[in-house]
Amino acid sequence: EAGVAQSPRYKIIEKRQSVAFWCNPISGHATLYWYQQILGQGPKLLIQFQNNGVVDDSQLPKDRFSAERLKGVDSTLKIQPAKLEDSAVYLCASSAGLAGVELFFGEGSRLTVL
Amino acid sequence: RKEVEQDPGPFNVPEGATVAFNCTYSNSASQSFFWYRQDCRKEPKLLMSVYSSGNEDGRFTAQLNRASQYISLLIRDSKLSDSATYLCVVNRGANNLFFGTGTRLTVIP
Repeated sequence: EAGVAQSPRYKIIEKRQSVAFWCNPISGHATLYWYQQILGQGPKLLIQFQNNGVVDDSQLPKDRFSAERLKGVDSTLKIQPAKLEDSAVYLCASSAGLAGVELFFGEGSRLTVL
Repeated sequence: RKEVEQDPGPFNVPEGATVAFNCTYSNSASQSFFWYRQDCRKEPKLLMSVYSSGNEDGRFTAQLNRASQYISLLIRDSKLSDSATYLCVVNRGANNLFFGTGTRLTVIP
């Protein structure tokens, strides 16, 4: 079974530029998550989708970050404009449901903002 | 108070040693608990769930104390391959998982 796919794996941009990350979850997984992991810290939830609806986006910096999952399958996370402190690994994860089930993570997209 | 607090580490232990990690959580309404493992520059992967009765998986034992809001992970007979960061994870409901900062373990030959 294919895992969670993410692209690009690496991205280097200058501050104030924009960037987009793409995620394709495991087939059939209704719940999709975007996490931000800064070096030396644990993953921090940015947004959680159930199908194409948002469950939680309370920690998403909405002035610069946006995410969508229009058809309830793949998802895009966008940052515009980027700041230096956005340098991190952006992890996408999916799960089969909402009741304490395992999260499966992609390999992540590593962003460096110069 | 942080929602999930873990031992800061790092832990450097010899092969064969027993090592224990602790974690406390602040939200008494948290519903379920997990330990995830993250290898260097890799994604987190589920190691084991944590139940009130305690559970064991080979050399790994996890314990939950709801009264004290405390979670632990014990690794017996440490192997070199156990070297990783161990993340304490709390489910706040609707599979909204909150991750601790992690504790780094290095097993030394």
